[in-house]
Amino acid sequence: AQSVTQPDIHITVSEGASLELRCNYSYGATPYLFWYVQSPGQGLQLLLKYFSGDTLVQGIKGFEAEFKRSQSSFNLRKPSVHWSDAAEYFCAVGPSNFGNEKLTFGTGTRLTIIP
Amino acid sequence: EAQVTQNPRYLITVTGKKLTVTCSQNMNHEYMSWYRQDPGLGLRQIYYSMNVEVTDKGDVPEGYKVSRKEKRNFPLILESPSPNQTSLYFCASRRKGGERVKTGELFFGEGSRLTVL
Repeated sequence: AQSVTQPDIHITVSEGASLELRCNYSYGATPYLFWYVQSPGQGLQLLLKYFSGDTLVQGIKGFEAEFKRSQSSFNLRKPSVHWSDAAEYFCAVGPSNFGNEKLTFGTGTRLTIIP
Repeated sequence: EAQVTQNPRYLITVTGKKLTVTCSQNMNHEYMSWYRQDPGLGLRQIYYSMNVEVTDKGDVPEGYKVSRKEKRNFPLILESPSPNQTSLYFCASRRKGGERVKTGELFFGEGSRLTVL
Protein backbone atom coordinates (compact mmCIF):
# COMPACT_ATOMS: atom_id res chain seq x y z
CA ALA A 1 0.00 0.00 0.00
CA GLN A 2 1.18 3.51 -0.71
CA SER A 3 2.12 5.74 2.20
CA VAL A 4 3.71 9.08 2.91
CA THR A 5 5.77 10.09 5.92
CA GLN A 6 6.41 13.65 6.93
CA PRO A 7 8.70 13.24 9.93
CA ASP A 8 8.53 16.84 11.10
CA ILE A 9 5.25 17.80 12.72
CA HIS A 10 6.26 21.41 13.34
CA ILE A 11 9.16 23.50 12.07
CA THR A 12 10.08 27.04 13.06
CA VAL A 13 12.41 29.15 10.94
CA SER A 14 13.41 32.78 10.89
CA GLU A 15 12.21 35.01 8.11
CA GLY A 16 14.82 35.05 5.36
CA ALA A 17 16.28 31.70 6.35
CA SER A 18 16.27 28.66 4.10
CA LEU A 19 13.72 25.90 4.48
CA GLU A 20 13.60 22.19 3.83
CA LEU A 21 10.54 20.07 4.57
CA ARG A 22 11.02 16.34 4.42
CA CYS A 23 8.81 13.80 2.70
CA ASN A 24 9.37 10.08 2.29
CA TYR A 25 7.02 7.87 0.33
CA SER A 26 6.38 4.21 -0.13
CA TYR A 27 4.97 3.05 -3.44
CA GLY A 28 5.65 0.03 -5.62
CA ALA A 29 5.69 1.73 -9.00
CA THR A 30 6.75 5.12 -10.29
CA PRO A 31 4.85 7.61 -8.21
CA TYR A 32 3.32 10.95 -8.92
CA LEU A 33 4.35 13.29 -6.09
CA PHE A 34 2.80 16.52 -4.92
CA TRP A 35 3.24 19.24 -2.37
CA TYR A 36 0.20 21.17 -1.20
CA VAL A 37 0.01 24.15 1.14
CA GLN A 38 -2.86 24.98 3.44
CA SER A 39 -3.07 28.49 4.82
CA PRO A 40 -5.20 29.04 7.93
CA GLY A 41 -8.89 28.73 7.12
CA GLN A 42 -8.20 27.88 3.52
CA GLY A 43 -8.32 24.84 1.31
CA LEU A 44 -5.26 23.18 -0.11
CA GLN A 45 -3.30 24.77 -2.92
CA LEU A 46 -0.93 22.88 -5.16
CA LEU A 47 2.67 24.09 -4.86
CA LEU A 48 4.30 21.70 -7.29
CA LYS A 49 4.15 18.20 -8.71
CA TYR A 50 6.48 15.57 -10.11
CA PHE A 51 5.40 13.12 -12.78
CA SER A 52 8.60 12.27 -14.64
CA GLY A 53 11.69 13.82 -16.21
CA ASP A 54 13.83 16.36 -14.40
CA THR A 55 14.00 15.37 -10.77
CA LEU A 56 14.20 18.98 -9.60
CA VAL A 57 10.83 20.63 -10.02
CA GLN A 58 9.94 24.25 -9.60
CA GLY A 59 6.69 25.40 -8.13
CA ILE A 60 4.83 28.52 -7.22
CA LYS A 61 5.90 31.02 -4.54
CA GLY A 62 9.58 30.22 -5.03
CA PHE A 63 9.38 26.61 -3.85
CA GLU A 64 11.19 23.68 -5.38
CA ALA A 65 11.38 19.97 -4.65
CA GLU A 66 13.76 17.23 -5.58
CA PHE A 67 12.73 13.65 -6.32
CA LYS A 68 15.30 11.11 -5.16
CA ARG A 69 14.23 7.63 -6.11
CA SER A 70 17.09 5.94 -4.24
CA GLN A 71 15.97 7.59 -1.00
CA SER A 72 12.22 7.50 -1.71
CA SER A 73 12.14 11.17 -0.89
CA PHE A 74 10.59 14.32 -2.27
CA ASN A 75 11.78 17.14 -0.04
CA LEU A 76 10.46 20.66 -0.42
CA ARG A 77 12.86 23.60 -0.29
CA LYS A 78 12.85 27.35 -0.38
CA PRO A 79 16.03 29.46 -0.22
CA SER A 80 14.51 32.34 1.75
CA VAL A 81 11.18 32.15 3.55
CA HIS A 82 8.72 35.00 3.95
CA TRP A 83 6.29 35.53 6.79
CA SER A 84 3.46 34.68 4.39
CA ASP A 85 4.85 31.15 4.03
CA ALA A 86 3.56 30.27 7.49
CA ALA A 87 1.09 27.46 6.81
CA GLU A 88 0.71 23.71 6.88
CA TYR A 89 2.37 21.72 4.14
CA PHE A 90 1.26 18.34 2.88
CA CYS A 91 3.15 15.89 0.73
CA ALA A 92 1.08 13.45 -1.30
CA VAL A 93 1.74 10.47 -3.51
CA GLY A 94 -0.42 9.11 -6.30
CA PRO A 95 -0.34 6.19 -8.66
CA SER A 96 1.26 6.43 -12.07
CA ASN A 97 -1.97 5.24 -13.61
CA PHE A 98 -4.89 7.32 -12.53
CA GLY A 99 -7.57 4.71 -12.58
CA ASN A 100 -9.57 4.23 -9.44
CA GLU A 101 -6.74 5.07 -7.09
CA LYS A 102 -6.39 8.03 -4.84
CA LEU A 103 -3.80 10.45 -3.55
CA THR A 104 -2.36 9.50 -0.18
CA PHE A 105 -1.40 12.43 2.00
CA GLY A 106 1.17 12.73 4.74
CA THR A 107 0.18 14.03 8.15
CA GLY A 108 1.49 17.49 7.37
CA THR A 109 4.21 19.83 8.64
CA ARG A 110 3.22 23.08 10.28
CA LEU A 111 5.62 25.90 9.45
CA THR A 112 6.01 28.86 11.79
CA ILE A 113 8.00 31.91 10.74
CA ILE A 114 9.62 34.13 13.36
CA PRO A 115 10.75 37.69 12.64
CA GLU B 1 -13.23 31.53 -11.90
CA ALA B 2 -12.46 27.83 -11.56
CA GLN B 3 -13.49 26.66 -8.14
CA VAL B 4 -14.84 24.01 -5.86
CA THR B 5 -17.59 25.31 -3.60
CA GLN B 6 -18.63 23.68 -0.36
CA ASN B 7 -21.54 24.52 1.90
CA PRO B 8 -21.90 25.06 4.74
CA ARG B 9 -18.45 26.25 5.76
CA TYR B 10 -19.24 25.83 9.43
CA LEU B 11 -21.88 23.71 11.11
CA ILE B 12 -22.66 22.65 14.65
CA THR B 13 -25.20 19.90 14.97
CA VAL B 14 -26.33 17.20 17.38
CA THR B 15 -25.94 13.46 17.33
CA GLY B 16 -28.36 11.74 15.01
CA LYS B 17 -29.57 14.75 13.05
CA LYS B 18 -29.09 14.04 9.37
CA LEU B 19 -27.06 16.58 7.45
CA THR B 20 -25.70 17.11 3.96
CA VAL B 21 -22.59 18.98 2.95
CA THR B 22 -22.82 20.11 -0.64
CA CYS B 23 -19.96 20.29 -3.10
CA SER B 24 -20.05 21.79 -6.55
CA GLN B 25 -17.30 22.33 -9.13
CA ASN B 26 -17.40 24.40 -12.30
CA MET B 27 -14.45 22.83 -14.14
CA ASN B 28 -16.29 19.94 -15.77
CA HIS B 29 -14.12 17.50 -13.84
CA GLU B 30 -14.96 13.83 -13.98
CA TYR B 31 -13.33 12.90 -10.69
CA MET B 32 -14.52 14.15 -7.32
CA SER B 33 -13.62 13.12 -3.81
CA TRP B 34 -14.26 13.83 -0.15
CA TYR B 35 -11.56 13.94 2.49
CA ARG B 36 -11.62 14.55 6.19
CA GLN B 37 -8.76 16.23 7.99
CA ASP B 38 -7.99 15.48 11.62
CA PRO B 39 -5.00 16.63 13.70
CA GLY B 40 -2.08 14.24 13.43
CA LEU B 41 -3.83 12.14 10.79
CA GLY B 42 -3.58 14.35 7.73
CA LEU B 43 -6.22 13.96 5.04
CA ARG B 44 -8.04 10.70 4.67
CA GLN B 45 -10.30 9.87 1.78
CA ILE B 46 -13.93 9.13 2.56
CA TYR B 47 -15.47 8.50 -0.86
CA TYR B 48 -14.66 9.25 -4.44
CA SER B 49 -16.42 9.31 -7.77
CA MET B 50 -14.89 8.66 -11.16
CA ASN B 51 -17.92 10.00 -13.02
CA VAL B 52 -21.69 10.40 -12.85
CA GLU B 53 -23.34 7.48 -11.07
CA VAL B 54 -19.93 5.95 -10.29
CA THR B 55 -18.88 6.14 -6.64
CA ASP B 56 -16.61 4.07 -4.44
CA LYS B 57 -15.37 3.92 -0.88
CA GLY B 58 -12.16 5.49 0.26
CA ASP B 59 -10.28 4.74 3.46
CA VAL B 60 -12.85 5.89 6.01
CA PRO B 61 -16.36 5.53 4.51
CA GLU B 62 -18.22 4.35 7.63
CA GLY B 63 -21.07 6.65 8.59
CA TYR B 64 -21.09 8.53 5.28
CA LYS B 65 -22.97 8.34 2.01
CA VAL B 66 -22.47 10.12 -1.28
CA SER B 67 -24.27 10.48 -4.57
CA ARG B 68 -23.25 11.67 -8.00
CA LYS B 69 -26.34 12.40 -10.05
CA GLU B 70 -24.79 15.31 -11.90
CA LYS B 71 -21.24 15.85 -12.99
CA ARG B 72 -20.78 19.09 -11.09
CA ASN B 73 -22.22 18.03 -7.71
CA PHE B 74 -21.02 15.51 -5.14
CA PRO B 75 -22.84 15.88 -1.82
CA LEU B 76 -21.65 14.19 1.36
CA ILE B 77 -24.43 12.83 3.53
CA LEU B 78 -24.22 12.01 7.21
CA GLU B 79 -27.39 10.03 7.94
CA SER B 80 -26.87 9.88 11.70
CA PRO B 81 -23.89 12.00 12.72
CA SER B 82 -21.85 11.05 15.76
CA PRO B 83 -19.22 13.01 17.71
CA ASN B 84 -16.38 11.07 16.07
CA GLN B 85 -17.40 12.69 12.79
CA THR B 86 -16.41 16.08 14.14
CA SER B 87 -13.80 17.11 11.61
CA LEU B 88 -12.77 19.41 8.80
CA TYR B 89 -14.10 18.14 5.49
CA PHE B 90 -12.72 18.89 2.06
CA CYS B 91 -14.21 18.25 -1.33
CA ALA B 92 -11.83 18.00 -4.26
CA SER B 93 -12.02 17.47 -8.00
CA ARG B 94 -9.73 16.85 -10.93
CA ARG B 95 -9.75 15.80 -14.53
CA LYS B 96 -9.88 12.10 -15.10
CA GLY B 97 -6.36 10.82 -15.54
CA GLY B 98 -5.14 8.50 -18.18
CA GLU B 99 -2.10 7.35 -20.02
CA ARG B 100 -1.68 10.53 -22.00
CA VAL B 101 -3.28 12.97 -19.65
CA LYS B 102 -0.81 13.28 -16.83
CA THR B 103 -2.79 15.40 -14.56
CA GLY B 104 -3.29 14.58 -10.95
CA GLU B 105 -3.79 17.99 -9.53
CA LEU B 106 -6.65 18.02 -7.13
CA PHE B 107 -8.55 21.28 -6.76
CA PHE B 108 -9.86 21.70 -3.24
CA GLY B 109 -12.77 23.53 -1.74
CA GLU B 110 -12.20 25.76 1.26
CA GLY B 111 -13.40 23.18 3.72
CA SER B 112 -16.43 22.60 5.94
CA ARG B 113 -15.85 22.48 9.66
CA LEU B 114 -18.39 20.19 11.26
CA THR B 115 -18.95 19.78 14.99
CA VAL B 116 -21.26 17.04 16.25
CA LEU B 117 -22.34 17.42 19.87
